[in-house]
Amino acid sequence: TQLLEQSPQFLSIQEGENLTVYCNSSSVFSSLQWYRQEPGEGPVLLVTVVTGGEVKKLKRLTFQFGDARKDSSLHITAAQPGDTGLYLCAGPRSNDYKLSFGAGTTVTVRA
Amino acid sequence: DAGITQSPRYKITETGRQVTLMCHQTWSHSYMFWYRQDLGHGLRLIYYSAAADITDKGEVPDGYVVSRSKTENFPLTLESATRSQTSVYFCASLGGDFIRDTQYFGPGTRLTVL
Repeated sequence: TQLLEQSPQFLSIQEGENLTVYCNSSSVFSSLQWYRQEPGEGPVLLVTVVTGGEVKKLKRLTFQFGDARKDSSLHITAAQPGDTGLYLCAGPRSNDYKLSFGAGTTVTVRA
Repeated sequence: DAGITQSPRYKITETGRQVTLMCHQTWSHSYMFWYRQDLGHGLRLIYYSAAADITDKGEVPDGYVVSRSKTENFPLTLESATRSQTSVYFCASLGGDFIRDTQYFGPGTRLTVL
């Protein structure tokens, strides 16, 4: 059983549309990270959220950490083909540096 | 080149053979990790290391061995490869503060066990 559940598993949208990816857990996390992975490459860190209720923006990407620190979401506004990739959330299994990853959401943005 | 590299990038082997995957980082990061990535499971931690000569098991360590005699290298050995070890393997390193710092991943090694 995944410690972190991501939904949806797959998402295909048209360029210009908005999308939201969810990351949920029954456990409390001290922090959550979001990564993007492109085919044939390793994951690349997008953001780390630390405080419950925190919202971080990275250009057209908005990341939110739930008040109870059990969930997070990634919202992309006006998606572009360059946003295509596998989005992974991850959090420390305990209060240390070992990460537990969700299974990922594959996002495809069609031109 | 600066960064984290893995070799080989692709490997095909047979059941029962020993295989070693190499990982090298140029930042002198203390922490290094090995993950495997399989469809539907995301990344799962195999082994990790907090410093040279300090290693410990992750979620799925069975069938794997690691060593870390030098800070910059963290090889992963499959002692007797099995088909269930067919996967994409990623090495990663982390400088220090696990919240504020970034875990950097290598490009991966795609391993096929026949």
